[in-house]
Parts: sequence; structure tokens; C-alpha cells
Amino acid sequence: EAQVTQNPRYLITVTGKKLTVTCSQNMNHEYMSWYRQDPGLGLRQIYYSMNVEVTDKGDVPEGYKVSRKEKRNFPLILESPSPNQTSLYFCASSFRGRLSTDTQYFGPGTRLTVL
Amino acid sequence: AQSVTQLGSHVSVSEGALVLLRCNYSSSVPPYLFWYVQYPNQGLQLLLKYTSAATLVKGINGFEAEFKKSETSFHLTKPSAHMSDAAEYFCAVSFSGKLIFGQGTTLQVKP
Repeated sequence: EAQVTQNPRYLITVTGKKLTVTCSQNMNHEYMSWYRQDPGLGLRQIYYSMNVEVTDKGDVPEGYKVSRKEKRNFPLILESPSPNQTSLYFCASSFRGRLSTDTQYFGPGTRLTVL
Repeated sequence: AQSVTQLGSHVSVSEGALVLLRCNYSSSVPPYLFWYVQYPNQGLQLLLKYTSAATLVKGINGFEAEFKKSETSFHLTKPSAHMSDAAEYFCAVSFSGKLIFGQGTTLQVKP
């Protein structure tokens, strides 16, 4: 089954404790992206990757890191989480990132709480 | 700059009534527009998308949207609401592969 998977689905942590949220897709998509969803703000892009070893900042990259060493995986790293990073996070992928008509497929989401 | 505005953060309709969710966009280039739906505790699922082929776009679950350039709108409609349509709906514009989302509209369907 074609899908985007994220782990963990739920995470409660404390300020400053490094964490990684994994994202994997099995559709051989070139483009992958991370979004955060906050009430009243919709989804905002954190980082994206056009292909392996190619990443770039989105609209809200502060406090986050990413890497793209393999085509299928795109982990989101929070080196020192803070309470303002409490949010719902979504990973998404599409076949060819530069084509604006491509549909992005979303993972199920990771709900992160930073105490 | 590209942006999307969804009018109304909450919309409530009775089962069987018309659903109308409003979306207006701003784009400096011909826009590609999407509607996504998010059911509780799930990710986003594509309902439909406009890619400049036909102005009336039909999607899944009986939804459709009409692209109106003169009004810079892409409103989502469904003739008859079902209880299962209760969800949050997002309009988005795509630019260089990046999706720019509206704030979202929560649809409540009353029995």
C-alpha cells in the first residue's frame, strides 16, 4: 500500500531533550516536506527536500533540522525542543516537487507536547 | 506573493443541506489550487485540485469546486451533507511545489 508513515504518533517530552520524528514514504517520491499545524494558522511548511541531499527552509524553520540521506526517509530533528514547538506535525511527499500540480500525500501526523 | 483565505473558521449545516466552504486566493501567477480534508486524528486527504484544465472540478465523496478567476475564488460545495462529512477542510495554493494553506474550516453536520 502506497503511504507516508510517521513515528511516533504521539510524543510528550521536556524542554531541551533532543528528539527525532521519522518520516518514510514507499512511493519513490522525490519531494518531501514537513509541516506544522496550529489552531487558526492552518499548516505551515518547516523544511522541504527536492531530492536526496537537497534540503531547504520553509516558512518556519527555526528550531528544526532535517536530513535526506535516502530517498524514502526525511527525519525531523528538534535539537533542543521548547514549549512553543508543541504542535501537530505532518510529513508529506509528492512525485516531482517542482511541478506545482503534483498532489502531496500526507502522513497521519505526530502530536508533540513539550513541557 | 501567494496566499489563501478561508472565510469562516466554523460552518454548521444540517444533514441533507448544501455545503458551501469559501476560499479566496491571491497569486501573482496562474494558481494551482487544492482542497484537502482532515478527519479527526488523521492526516490530510486530497479532495480535489484545479490545474487549469476545467474550471469546475469534481472530487471525491460528491464534492466539487469552481475556479472563478474574476472573483479569485475556489469555493467547495456539496449538494447534500452527510454526517460523515464532518471534518476540517483546508484550501491551499501550490507554488513551486510548496503548498500554502488557508486557516482551515471546521464543518459540523447536525442530524
